[in-house]
Amino acid sequence: AQTVTQSQPEMSVQEAETVTLSCTYDTSESNYYLFWYKQPPSRQMILVIRQEAYKQQNATENRFSVNFQKAAKSFSLKISDSQLGDTAMYFCAFMINSGYALNFGKGTSLLVTP
Amino acid sequence: GAGVSQSPRYKVAKRGQDVALRCDPISGHVSLFWYQQALGQGPEFLTYFQNEAQLDKSGLPSDRFFAERPEGSVSTLKIQRTQQEDSAVYLCASSVTGGEGQPQHFGDGTRLSIL
Repeated sequence: AQTVTQSQPEMSVQEAETVTLSCTYDTSESNYYLFWYKQPPSRQMILVIRQEAYKQQNATENRFSVNFQKAAKSFSLKISDSQLGDTAMYFCAFMINSGYALNFGKGTSLLVTP
Repeated sequence: GAGVSQSPRYKVAKRGQDVALRCDPISGHVSLFWYQQALGQGPEFLTYFQNEAQLDKSGLPSDRFFAERPEGSVSTLKIQRTQQEDSAVYLCASSVTGGEGQPQHFGDGTRLSIL
C-alpha cells in the first residue's frame, strides 16, 4: 500500500513571498507519478503540477515548482511570488505506474495574507 | 460542457433515505472516478469506470453504495439506507484514459449531509 504524508496541517505566507509545502510518501514501486492539487473553498480540485518519477528534472509550472527527491521519497511544492488567490487546501497525491487511482495526503491549508 | 459537472451541489437527507448523485464527465473522457472526501481529509478512492465497465469498486465502503455508468458517459453514485457516517463530499473525476499518470479532472463535488 502507498501512503502519502503531509506534515504541515496549516501554513501562512505573505503576499509576494515564497512558501514550500512538504510531502513524503512510502512505496515499494519504482515507477509512479506524483501530483499536487489545489482545492479552494469552491471545492473543485485543480491540478497544479505533475511529476513523473523516472524523470530526474523537477517539474515547473509558472510560479509553482517541485523539489523531487526520489531516494528520500520527498516531493515538496514551492510557490513563488505568492498571490491572494493561492489561498486554498493543497493536496499531494500519488499514482503507481500500473494503477489509476490517486492516493491523497491529508492536505495543507495555505493562507496568503496581504 | 468544458469541465466535469456534478449535481446536486448540496444534498441533505434523513438517515435511512436513499440518495443519488450525478456526474457528467468531460466529453470524450474514457475514465471516470468517484472519491469520498470526509471533513478535513484528503479524498479517498471509491470506484473506477472505463467506458461503461466498472473495473474497480474496491473502495466502496459497503454494499449500500452502488455506482453505474450505463452508456459510458454520465455516472450515478447511489447510496441506499444512508447513515450519518456517509456525510462527506463526493467528488467525481474523469481522464482521457485511465492510468499512465493521466491527470484527473475533478468536478465541484456534492456535499452530502445525513441528519
